[in-house]
Amino acid sequence: QSALTQPASVSGSPGQSISISCTGTSSDVGGYDHVSWYQQHPGKAPQLLIYEVFNRFSGVPDRFSGSKSGNTASLTISGLQAEDEAHYYCNSYSRSTPVVFGGGTKVTVL
Amino acid sequence: EVRLVESGGGLVQPGGSLRLSCVASGYTFSSHWMYWVRQAPGRGLVWVSRISTDVTKTNYADSVNGRFTISRDNAKSTLYLQMNNLRVDDTAVYYCTRDLTWGAMDVWGQGTTVTVSS
Repeated sequence: QSALTQPASVSGSPGQSISISCTGTSSDVGGYDHVSWYQQHPGKAPQLLIYEVFNRFSGVPDRFSGSKSGNTASLTISGLQAEDEAHYYCNSYSRSTPVVFGGGTKVTVL
Repeated sequence: EVRLVESGGGLVQPGGSLRLSCVASGYTFSSHWMYWVRQAPGRGLVWVSRISTDVTKTNYADSVNGRFTISRDNAKSTLYLQMNNLRVDDTAVYYCTRDLTWGAMDVWGQGTTVTVSS
């Protein structure tokens, strides 16, 4: 049950675009279009941003977008804002376990 | 408003037991698969367990298999996690979550903290 691989940190200036990768295998990310992304601010519960690779959840700003190529999914934040500073996690349906999460990425707005 | 409210966390000695509860409101509880997800201090999210709508299917992470039991009472709109033989590395915030579809978790509780220490 290895975690999906995410970069530990990503940073960008306000207004810039950044992308966070989430790499798995053909048994999870590459094998199914069931990848989700979550945002977690300090001391708060995570919130769903994206599901089924690219579908924005209700109320999520359209500057958040998702995509996938092969075994790697990506979350892109366009027009970075100060309130986007948070931890971001991906998860995927997996053949071996129902769900596997990524290790998380800390996004810093410079 | 759709809500999940966890309770039952606390301080327990290694080898001890705890039972977590999660009360759902604002939606038809019996229509959704449910998960427990945990987060150790300063660490990432880790899936712990899952249960089907009709209770017939359950899954567990290898780290808790044989020690934890997930259950639900649809009549009471409540999800449970019985945790036995607790270890220090079970220390975490435990979240109850609702499945939207195929592992996408659209509703999260506020979390309940479990600390395993002597």
